[in-house]
Amino acid sequence: NAGVMQNPRHLVRRRGQEARLRCSPMKGHSHVYWYRQLPEEGLKFMVYLQKENIIDESGMPKERFSAEFPKEGPSILRIQQVVRGDSAAYFCASSPSGHRGSDTGELFFGEGSRLTVL
Amino acid sequence: KQEVTQIPAALSVPEGENLVLNCSFTDSAIYNLQWFRQDPGKGLTSLLLIQSSQREQTSGRLNASLDKSSGRSTLYIAASQPGDSATYLCAVRTYYGGATNKLIFGTGTLLAVQP
Repeated sequence: NAGVMQNPRHLVRRRGQEARLRCSPMKGHSHVYWYRQLPEEGLKFMVYLQKENIIDESGMPKERFSAEFPKEGPSILRIQQVVRGDSAAYFCASSPSGHRGSDTGELFFGEGSRLTVL
Repeated sequence: KQEVTQIPAALSVPEGENLVLNCSFTDSAIYNLQWFRQDPGKGLTSLLLIQSSQREQTSGRLNASLDKSSGRSTLYIAASQPGDSATYLCAVRTYYGGATNKLIFGTGTLLAVQP
């Protein structure tokens, strides 16, 4: 059973370009979470999605950032018009379910996508 | 609002020493608590998961305890090895009837085990 797969592992963009980060959850997992880790800082929650639904986007910047988890295919974190401050590691995690009693509640993380904005 | 704090921020010990990492959280209404390890430039490796109804979990040389009422967890590492050198992260998951299940991370403890 493959783990959480993220790609690209490394991405370089110039200011003003768009960045698209992809996350394929573990097989059987229907819940996806995106986290951002800025240099020398901890992991900050961005967004929690289920298939075709955004459940909690309280950690998403109000502008330029969007996320989706379509019925088919990976979850996508999209950053438009990137700025230098967007340079960070973006981690995706998945879990089988969000409901008590139906899973252990353990989250499994991918290796991350490291975005560098020049 | 849940806040998670880890003490110390950094720790250096000689090989073979037993050590304790501390994690505290402000809201005791948690679903579970996870301890992770992160190596430089790498992802997160889950070490131990403690459910809110449990007091401790053990895996090899690692033992994690949970005192929900006082908002504390400890990670005990026995007979430390240089390969244990990494950043250790504590994270709590809060359950609100399925509406939100995000993990809130602590600030991490950077551990260096000297050979």
